[in-house]
Amino acid sequence: AQSVTQPDIHITVSEGASLELRCNYSYGATPYLFWYVQSPGQGLQLLLKYFSGDTLVQGIKGFEAEFKRSQSSFNLRKPSVHWSDAAEYFCAVVGNSGNTPLVFGKGTRLSVIA
Amino acid sequence: DAGVIQSPRHEVTEMGQEVTLRCKPISGHDYLFWYRQTMMRGLELLIYFNNNVPIDDSGMPEDRFSAKMPNASFSTLKIQPSEPRDSAVYFCASSSATGGFRGAFFGQGTRLTVV
Repeated sequence: AQSVTQPDIHITVSEGASLELRCNYSYGATPYLFWYVQSPGQGLQLLLKYFSGDTLVQGIKGFEAEFKRSQSSFNLRKPSVHWSDAAEYFCAVVGNSGNTPLVFGKGTRLSVIA
Repeated sequence: DAGVIQSPRHEVTEMGQEVTLRCKPISGHDYLFWYRQTMMRGLELLIYFNNNVPIDDSGMPEDRFSAKMPNASFSTLKIQPSEPRDSAVYFCASSSATGGFRGAFFGQGTRLTVV
C-alpha cells in the first residue's frame, strides 16, 4: 500500500531564509508525487507535481521539488521564504495510473518570522 | 472553470440532526473524492466515485455516513444522525485520468460543527 511520511510537524523559518520540507513515500513502482498547500480556512492548492522525466520540478509561487528514487524522497524547497508562505504543506502520492485516490502525509505547518 | 464547488462552507448543527454536504466537481472530471480533515487524523479518504459509481467506501466511518453521486455534476455526503465527533472539515476533490492524470483539485471545504 502507498504511504507518505512527512517527518516534520512544524517548521519555523525567518523571512528570506531558504526552506526545505521533507517527504518520504512508500510505493512499489514509480509513483506520481504532489505537493499541496493549505492556507488557514482554505482548501488544498496544488503547488507542483512529478510524473516522470526531469527529477527537479518547478511549481507555482517559486517552489520546486526534487524526486530522488534512491531515497524515496520528494522534498519541497524554496530559496527565499516570504511571510505569505506560512501555511500547511502536504505531500501526496498516487499510483501512476492516476485512477486511485491520493494518499496524503500528515502535513507540515510552516511558520515564518520576521 | 469555477473549480470544485462545495456547499455550505460552514455548518453548525445539533447532535442527532441530519447533515448534507454538497459538491459540484469540475466539469469533465470522472473521479470524485470525499476527504475528512481533523487535527488528530489529518486527511482521510472517506469514499470515491468513478463515473458516478462508488468504487471504495471503506473509509466511511460508520453506517451513519452515506454518499451519493446521482450525476456527473453533483455529489452529496450525508450524516444521519450526526455526533460531536463528526466535527471536522470535509473536502470534495475531483480529477480526471482521461488524457493523462494531472492531479486532484479540491474544493474550499465544509467546516462542520456538531454541538
